[in-house]
Amino acid sequence: DAGVTQSPTHLIKTRGQQVTLRCSPKSGHDTVSWYQQALGQGPQFIFQYYEEEERQRGNFPDRFSGHQFPNYSSELNVNALLLGDSALYLCASSPGQRSPLHFGNGTRLTVT
Amino acid sequence: DAKTTQPNSMESNEEEPVHLPCNHSTISGTDYIHWYRQLPSQGPEYVIHGLTSNVNNRMASLAIAEDRKSSTLILHRATLRDAAVYYCILRDRNTGNQFYFGTGTSLTVIP
Repeated sequence: DAGVTQSPTHLIKTRGQQVTLRCSPKSGHDTVSWYQQALGQGPQFIFQYYEEEERQRGNFPDRFSGHQFPNYSSELNVNALLLGDSALYLCASSPGQRSPLHFGNGTRLTVT
Repeated sequence: DAKTTQPNSMESNEEEPVHLPCNHSTISGTDYIHWYRQLPSQGPEYVIHGLTSNVNNRMASLAIAEDRKSSTLILHRATLRDAAVYYCILRDRNTGNQFYFGTGTSLTVIP
C-alpha cells in the first residue's frame, strides 16, 4: 500500500516563474493538506483540501493556490516565485479532516 | 492557535528511556495533544496523540499532566533510528484546525 507520493522530488526555478507540485494521497484518504518547510524550521500550514474545495488556509498570499481532483490527488501552484519560496513542500493526507496526518517526503523547491 | 514550548535539543544514550517534555499552558478543553517526528530527509511521521488520559502505542507513550498544561512523550528504549526532530502540537477536536508546528526538539541518540 503506497503512502503519500509527491512529485517531483526536486525542482529548480527562476524568480518570477510559476511552479506546480503534485501529490497523491495514501489509499483511502480523502483530505489533503500542504505545508511549507524552510530550512531549520517546522512545517508551516498552507491550506487543506477536502471534497475538492479549499477548507482551511494558513497565512500565505494568494500566489499560493491549489486544487484537488475527484480521485483526491492534489496540486499546489505557486505564481511569481520569490527567492523566499525556496523550501521543502510537504503534502499530507488523512481519512477525513480530523484524523492524524500522513506526510510524503516532500518536493525540494529552489528558486534562483 | 494554542502554542507549545519544547526544548530545542536533547540527548539520550542508546537503549535508555527518553522523556521529551512539552508545555502547553494555553491549551483549551477541546485540544488534542499530538506528537510527530521528522527523521532526516523525510516528511513528519505521526507518533501518538491523546486528550486527557495517558496513551500507549507500539512507538511510544504519552503522559498528560492532570491539568493538561504539559505532556511528555516517552520512548521506552531509544535506538539510533529514533534520532529525529520531535514536534508537540495542539489540535482542536471540533474544528480539526490544522497543525501549527514549532521548531520541535532535536533528539540525538548516542551509541
